[in-house]
Amino acid sequence: DTAVSQTPKYLVTQMGNDKSIKCEQNLGHDTMYWYKQDSKKFLKIMFSYNNKELIINETVPNRFSPKSPDKAHLNLHINSLELGDSAVYFCASSPLARGNEQFFGPGTRLTVL
Amino acid sequence: LAKTTQPISMDSYEGQEVNITCSHNNIATNDYITWYQQFPSQGPRFIIQGYKTKVTNEVASLFIPADRKSSTLSLPRVSLSDTAVYYCLVVVEGGKLIFGQGTELSVKP
Repeated sequence: DTAVSQTPKYLVTQMGNDKSIKCEQNLGHDTMYWYKQDSKKFLKIMFSYNNKELIINETVPNRFSPKSPDKAHLNLHINSLELGDSAVYFCASSPLARGNEQFFGPGTRLTVL
Repeated sequence: LAKTTQPISMDSYEGQEVNITCSHNNIATNDYITWYQQFPSQGPRFIIQGYKTKVTNEVASLFIPADRKSSTLSLPRVSLSDTAVYYCLVVVEGGKLIFGQGTELSVKP
């Protein structure tokens, strides 16, 4: 009964490919997020959705496109992958938006070769 | 430019109290300050959250001065299992969520 789950856990792919990471939460939360954690462990928010609507869209290349089919899911699609996209991507959810307590998924380690 | 600053690393011994301070200029007026713990190969996990003064729960205390431009996470009597990276998270003016760069705490026997 995992609260926030992500698939896949590991993703290894070639430059130029398109890939997706899926996230699901069973906590009934209204807000979901995508974060990128680089090799220096910096955590940066990429996107936030509240009730399926985009509320935060940080300076992220438009090769990254989030999609929220329903409140419990927030998927991340990445086009034309680049070496610099290699990182760990975390999905999170919270009952309310902004600084509310967030519950994180286990992360997806993306390696672009 | 909104910035959130923490010490990069700290060392401690089992049984000691550890205090980690995060400086956050440009913090938004009405939002919480939150601290997270992260173990290797796991997602961050919520520890404690506060708005002002002092908050205490079963694992930590959080001290926030009146101007809210910093916060201090206090871990009483740390054990080896507290070895992890600790992050502060604040909301800055404009609604942007900013994590500190993380403090790597190493607890030694």
